[in-house]
Amino acid sequence: DADVTQTPRNRITKTGKRIMLECSQTKGHDRMYWYRQDPGLGLQLIYYSFDVKDINKGEISDGYSVSRQAQAKFSLSLESAIPNQTALYFCAVQSLFTGELFFGEGSRLTVL
Amino acid sequence: AQTVTQSQPEMSVQEAETVTLSCTYDTSESDYYLFWYKQPPSRQMILVIRQEAYKQQNATENRFSVNFQKAAKSFSLKISDSQLGDAAMYFCAYVPGAQKLVFGQGTRLTINP
Repeated sequence: DADVTQTPRNRITKTGKRIMLECSQTKGHDRMYWYRQDPGLGLQLIYYSFDVKDINKGEISDGYSVSRQAQAKFSLSLESAIPNQTALYFCAVQSLFTGELFFGEGSRLTVL
Repeated sequence: AQTVTQSQPEMSVQEAETVTLSCTYDTSESDYYLFWYKQPPSRQMILVIRQEAYKQQNATENRFSVNFQKAAKSFSLKISDSQLGDAAMYFCAYVPGAQKLVFGQGTRLTINP
């Protein structure tokens, strides 16, 4: 089983719909992140959480919200999806000791 | 602001040859980590190599090695004996102490057979 699991892996939805992307981890680390990647481009930080009671906005948080339900779970929501939110979304978990990020396999979201 | 710059949006190399990808970063920290991540067409983000700033010795992982120049704030990745499977987007990343990672914009590497 993967250390960082994202669901769904692929999703097609319509403008205005609410969408939730879920992330769970078995690495046991406190720090979790959500990134967005547009085709051919780099990673943009949406939200991050250093522990269950800590939520921080990243570079592009507008239109997104998150919930840290437990150490192992960090969900990303799009309250009212719009076409320019079509992208690949990554969840990642960070080791406090090495700084390394462990990524999920990504969730490809298409908003029509 | 802490930034990471990858000045080569695209690079190409002949199979079996050596290629170097450039990365520079801006920081006032003395304790930090540096990473190279690879993203092949499968889209998975894969750690290639990691360097601790306090270590003077350059990290190596099989055909992958880095040239870490702390004073120059430079962290280049050398890929020796390039293989078709090395074709990917490569991201340089920096993390100061216990903070969040800062990524460069990536370099797309093409391997020519």
